Amino acid sequence: DADVTQTPRNRITKTGKRIMLECSQTKGHDRMYWYRQDPGLGLRLIYYSFDVKDINKGEISDGYSVSRQAQAKFSLSLESAIPNQTALYFCATSGRGRYGYTFGSGTRLTVV
Amino acid sequence: DAKTTQPPSMDCAEGRAANLPCNHSTISGNEYVYWYRQIHSQGPQYIIHGLKNNETNEMASLIITEDRKSSTLILPHATLRDTAVYYCIVSTNAGGTSYGKLTFGQGTILTVHP
Repeated sequence: DADVTQTPRNRITKTGKRIMLECSQTKGHDRMYWYRQDPGLGLRLIYYSFDVKDINKGEISDGYSVSRQAQAKFSLSLESAIPNQTALYFCATSGRGRYGYTFGSGTRLTVV
Repeated sequence: DAKTTQPPSMDCAEGRAANLPCNHSTISGNEYVYWYRQIHSQGPQYIIHGLKNNETNEMASLIITEDRKSSTLILPHATLRDTAVYYCIVSTNAGGTSYGKLTFGQGTILTVHP
């Protein structure tokens, strides 16, 4: 099993619908992150969480919300999806060391 | 976090060393240099990181200049599977006791040819 699992892998949704992307991890890391990637661009941080009670906005949080249900679970919601939220979404985790982040395989979201 | 500059693309022959440069002239004393790669829309994969000294692991070597203003990632024997986008990132202790945000730029597209 993957260390960081994202579901669904692919999703097509209609404008105005609410959608949730889920992330779970088995690494025991405290910190979790949501990034989005647009074609040909680098990753941009949406939200991050240092522990269950600590959630912070990243550089592009407008239109998104998150929930840290447990240490191992961090979900991203689009309350009312719009076409420019079509992107590849990545969840990542990090621990209290200096060995970088572990990323999930991504969720490809298309809003039509 | 300090910004980085990387060439947009590079080519390398299979079996040869791939040397990927990165400039980070505004790096601060407490910032590490991290390298990640992303293979065809998969999640980015951590490769290596360093602060001052050169580092080596099973994937690559990282050479950091003495003034820390630039670095080079070396893949000693590139294979076709190393074709990917390589990101050089400078950050304060990402994953450590203080928050270090990873800011991804455009990276270098490395193409390994047969």
